[in-house]
Amino acid sequence: QKEVEQDPGPLSVPEGAIVSLNCTYSNSAFQYFMWYRQYSRKGPELLMYTYSSGNKEDGRFTAQVDKSSKYISLFIRDSQPSDSATYLCAGGGSQGNLIFGKGTKLSVKP
Amino acid sequence: DSGVTQTPKHLITATGQRVTLRCSPRSGDLSVYWYQQSLDQGLQFLIQYYNGEERAKGNILERFSAQQFPDLHSELNLSSLELGDSALYFCASSGLAGVGGELFFGEGSRLTVL
Repeated sequence: QKEVEQDPGPLSVPEGAIVSLNCTYSNSAFQYFMWYRQYSRKGPELLMYTYSSGNKEDGRFTAQVDKSSKYISLFIRDSQPSDSATYLCAGGGSQGNLIFGKGTKLSVKP
Repeated sequence: DSGVTQTPKHLITATGQRVTLRCSPRSGDLSVYWYQQSLDQGLQFLIQYYNGEERAKGNILERFSAQQFPDLHSELNLSSLELGDSALYFCASSGLAGVGGELFFGEGSRLTVL
């Protein structure tokens, strides 16, 4: 079992839709969780950061972590074509390195 | 622009060969991470260095090695290359030795082994 599981998609939605992206993880030592966005032919860039359980909101993006069920979610409201990218969830522990899921490819159609 | 510089951007080589990928971290960042990204495995953690010392090791093959130099740049050496080593190799840096740091990724080095 991979430490972080993520449905690779692809996921296609119409512009303006609410998008829900999810991951599960198995490593209880993870202390913080991140969502990275990766555009084609680019390096991943940090989108959301959550420490421990709870919600975090930033504009149209909301990240949720439920440590009891080892579940990580990212919600995108009012999705835009510019949100089309691959979204990577990741968990991190005391060593500092991040363990990533395989990424979900999202396409937002105008 | 993340501030992390990787060279070369593209590299094509043959099986059995050896290549070196180079990474310059963001100014002031002491930690460097190497990741391999392939279609079937996703982004796989290889190795982390902090201020010149190996800090954590992931799924790095014995044919691969890395080091971080006193000026903090890092190199990833890949030897006895196989077709399956074809992938994007990312370097990332952070300012923290361990917990909680955001990783800033470079644009990657695309390796093609023929």
